[in-house]
Amino acid sequence: AQSVTQPDIHITVSEGASLELRCNYSYGATPYLFWYVQSPGQGLQLLLKYFSGDTLVQGIKGFEAEFKRSQSSFNLRKPSVHWSDAAEYFCAVRGGSNYKLTFGKGTLLTVNP
Amino acid sequence: NAGVTQTPKFRILKIGQSMTLQCTQDMNHNYMYWYRQDPGMGLKLIYYSVGAGITDKGEVPNGYNVSRSTTEDFPLRLELAAPSQTSVYFCASRNDQQPQHFGDGTRLSIL
Repeated sequence: AQSVTQPDIHITVSEGASLELRCNYSYGATPYLFWYVQSPGQGLQLLLKYFSGDTLVQGIKGFEAEFKRSQSSFNLRKPSVHWSDAAEYFCAVRGGSNYKLTFGKGTLLTVNP
Repeated sequence: NAGVTQTPKFRILKIGQSMTLQCTQDMNHNYMYWYRQDPGMGLKLIYYSVGAGITDKGEVPNGYNVSRSTTEDFPLRLELAAPSQTSVYFCASRNDQQPQHFGDGTRLSIL
């Protein structure tokens, strides 16, 4: 069975600081991996995805994530956080032949001015 | 291009009432999904469909029903509303080798 762990429930950073949100997954083969962002009262927006190939993937809004098979991780990074990045971030995994997406419980990001 | 459209956006129900949450997509996607989101719990899959006429249970299907008579529509039915079904419901769709696209959600309270 596939699963996702986001170890950090809540992270606070200062505007302009760098950010890394952690995501660990469990799946027997190479998974499809996703990061979504959710602003208050909104739906989920895709930030980036990894299907295959280059393990460093670029997404929207200046985010990137790196797939590390040896660590079963897919951490999300941004070099300089903006106040508008305050939101909840969800990591998700789907097995190649599996129709279903499994989400982590999310990390809430607060950005201090 | 509207994407995934959910209606209503908000609803308050009394215990025991029934209702249908509507979801429609205009992207000709084969796969459609219903999730519920509760605080601190992420998203839990209720039901999904891999094409018209085909549906299957997810993690938390009890108390819900779905149908998929067309590619575009995937309504979620609550037959006897219970307080435990108070949640935010999201519909999503995708095609092969694509990520899921989400609607804006339906916020449902059962009192």
